[in-house]
Amino acid sequence: GDSVTQMEGPVTLSEEAFLTINCTYTATGYPSLFWYVQYPGEGLQLLLKATKADDKGSNKGFEATYRKETTSFHLEKGSVQVSDSAVYFCALMEYGNKLVFGAGTILRVKS
Amino acid sequence: DAGVIQSPRHEVTEMGQEVTLRCKPISGHDYLFWYRQTMMRGLELLIYFNNNVPIDDSGMPEDRFSAKMPNASFSTLKIQPSEPRDSAVYFCANSRGGSTDTQYFGPGTRLTVL
Repeated sequence: GDSVTQMEGPVTLSEEAFLTINCTYTATGYPSLFWYVQYPGEGLQLLLKATKADDKGSNKGFEATYRKETTSFHLEKGSVQVSDSAVYFCALMEYGNKLVFGAGTILRVKS
Repeated sequence: DAGVIQSPRHEVTEMGQEVTLRCKPISGHDYLFWYRQTMMRGLELLIYFNNNVPIDDSGMPEDRFSAKMPNASFSTLKIQPSEPRDSAVYFCANSRGGSTDTQYFGPGTRLTVL
């Protein structure tokens, strides 16, 4: 079945450092791909998405490019802030409105 | 709009008791999803509705779990009888349409079954 694999955390960075969180997926067809963010005590929020190969999703300085050849959707940000500390989930949707989530990656940003 | 509203935010109960979790969706958002989040299994889709009709309940773990959506403004997830392994955070989410439309999540209900 469909699955998503994310790099294990926690990822700890200093403020203004470059961020990469790796995400790869397994699917039978061509899914849509998503990054969600969860702040402490809150529900998930959509951060960005891409619906076809080579699409780039971007929001709030975060970017991810849908790479079909490597089945990847890595999340990047050029300069992280303390307020970016959260749990980041990569997800795919292939059939029937069903999101399949990765395990989540904790990001901690120190000032 | 207040977003997705869930109640209660925290629930502590004893094994064997009935638990009812509630969700008030965003007006005009026709899809409603119930998710469960645990450390062991991560985020799992339990069931989703379209226009108040259950479409896919294949993620419901067993017959102790049931979900209803009697109208467009209200949904419940019921566990009867509850067991300690049901302890988790339960999220309700909405989307306006299906497919890749953004799913908006509620704040969740943290359930602890003793």
